[in-house]
Formats: sequence, structure tokens, C-alpha cells
Amino acid sequence: TQLLEQSPQFLSIQEGENLTVYCNSSSVFSSLQWYRQEPGEGPVLLVTVVTGGEVKKLKRLTFQFGDARKDSSLHITAAQPGDTGLYLCAGENAGGTSYGKLTFGQGTILTVHP
Amino acid sequence: EAQVTQNPRYLITVTGKKLTVTCSQNMNHEYMSWYRQDPGLGLRQIYYSMNVEVTDKGDVPEGYKVSRKEKRNFPLILESPSPNQTSLYFCASSPGPRAFEQYFGPGTRLTVT
Repeated sequence: TQLLEQSPQFLSIQEGENLTVYCNSSSVFSSLQWYRQEPGEGPVLLVTVVTGGEVKKLKRLTFQFGDARKDSSLHITAAQPGDTGLYLCAGENAGGTSYGKLTFGQGTILTVHP
Repeated sequence: EAQVTQNPRYLITVTGKKLTVTCSQNMNHEYMSWYRQDPGLGLRQIYYSMNVEVTDKGDVPEGYKVSRKEKRNFPLILESPSPNQTSLYFCASSPGPRAFEQYFGPGTRLTVT
């Protein structure tokens, strides 16, 4: 079983601050996906990174895939209360007998105070 | 509207009483999957299907069954539910056949007493 360690588990910050969430593994992934989940709803895809070293930006959110495709980070600039939620990283297994599997990190609960 | 639907949304049952949670998608997606979400453990994959008649185990398949007779449906069956299967369950699909960019259903909260 591949593991994804996500940190921190909880993050409570003030509006306007910057933050970074990390996802780390000893395994290589075909792709790394980031989802956001609101209470009472299913996760919603934010972004997918597939190439080692890839950086993608989505407004104030910046996503990076590690060169070796084992880790990823999510950076939020000038956080707003609307960013509050559960952020999940998920790694798509890199073929072999685990092809088709998706491994999730434990999640980061982000609270942005006005 | 493109979506993944699950039924029921809430279910309280007793130990040993067989139940089925249905999942349907209207996007003609190849790949479908079931997850359970528990506090502190995140989302864990139960079973997945890369195409019709093709299913495979995820990380926590014990106590669950699935079938993929049609492309749009992927029911989750608990033959003899136990209290440790109390959880929040999500079905997801993707254009596939990979576990790539999944669309999630709204979830089914199951309580087994």
C-alpha cells in the first residue's frame, strides 16, 4: 500500500496570510491531484499535476509536483475566509499491479479567520 | 446536469442486514470507484472499476462487494454489515480508464448498530 503523508493536519490563520500544505511519499505517482471538500459534500478537484517539477497556478493557489514525482505542495497566497475547507492530496499509482488505485493523504483542515 | 448520484444519502441499519448503496453517473465515464472517509484516516479506496465487467480491490475491500454490469452503475454491497463499517461513503467516476481527475458523488452516511 502506498502512503501519502499530508501536513499539517490543521491550519488556523488570519485573512491575508500565506500558507503551504505538503504531501510527501516514498512512492512515485503517475499524477498528483488536489481536491477541496466542504462539509456535507464530496471532494471537488482543484488541479492535477503529472510532470515532475510541474507548477500550476489557479488564481491565488500554486501547486507544485516534485521532480521525482513523490511529493507535492499547495501554496495559498493572501488567504481569504472563502478558502476555509478540507484540502486533500491524492496520488495516482504508477502502474504495475496497482494501476487504477488512488491514494489519499489524511487531509488538511484550513480555517481562515476574517 | 453532469453528475454522480448516490442513494440513499443516509442509512441506519443493524448488524448483519444486507444492504446496497447505489451509484450512477451520467457522463459516460469509464472509471468508477468507491471510498470510505473516516476521521483521522482520510479517504480510503474500497474497490474500483476501470471498465464494464472489470473490478479490482482498493486498500480496504474486506466486507464489501461491487459489480459493474453497466457503464453507468457501480453499486456497493455490504453482505453482512458490521459496526466497523459505519462511515461516510463516496462514489466517484472519471473519464478514465485511469484514476485521474475524479468526480465525486454527494456521499452516503452509513451507521451500523
